[in-house]
Amino acid sequence: EAGVTQSPTHLIKTRGQQATLRCSPISGHTSVYWYQQALGLGLQFLLWYDEGEERNRGNFPPRFSGRQFPNYSSELNVNALELEDSALYLCASRKGEWNEQFFGPGTRLTVL
Amino acid sequence: AQKVTQAQTEISVVEKEDVTLDCVYETRDTTYYLFWYKQPPSGELVFLIRRNSFDEQNEISGRYSWNFQKSTSSFNFTITASQVVDSAVYFCALTYSGSARQLTFGSGTQLTVLP
Repeated sequence: EAGVTQSPTHLIKTRGQQATLRCSPISGHTSVYWYQQALGLGLQFLLWYDEGEERNRGNFPPRFSGRQFPNYSSELNVNALELEDSALYLCASRKGEWNEQFFGPGTRLTVL
Repeated sequence: AQKVTQAQTEISVVEKEDVTLDCVYETRDTTYYLFWYKQPPSGELVFLIRRNSFDEQNEISGRYSWNFQKSTSSFNFTITASQVVDSAVYFCALTYSGSARQLTFGSGTQLTVLP
């Protein structure tokens, strides 16, 4: 069974640009979570999508947005990039209400 | 408020030593799940264990064991006879019934196992 996949592996942007990160969950998993792991800030919850809808978001500004497609894959968009957006962005998928989340390898976003 | 505390920022041991990683959590919910994840240098978080709030049985899986104590709100993780490949950042995490099931992570413990 294939795990969670993310693309691209690395992304380099300049301040003010937009970044798009992609995630494909494990087959059969309908929930997708996005987390940000910035240096010194630890792992922070960004967004949760389930059945195509945004269900919850963490304490991040509206320029962090995304969507979930009918095949349950997801996209995270970050507009008006700022230097502090540089981080590892991890996607996770879950099946069932209490089951563990399985993580992808992450996308490392660097904002110059 | 829900919170996970991993007071040990970094631990260094010599191969074959036993090491315990501490995790203390706070939650008002009576139904919750605790997790441990491992993050090797590659960056991908690897799931290790899930434990629910109603099951205080300790668990052993090979060289890994977990001690869950609700009385002290702790969920500690022990690696027996550590190996160099155990070197990684280990995260304890909590999810609770009042949330969207997102994980609240501790700050992580960097474990270095020296040969």
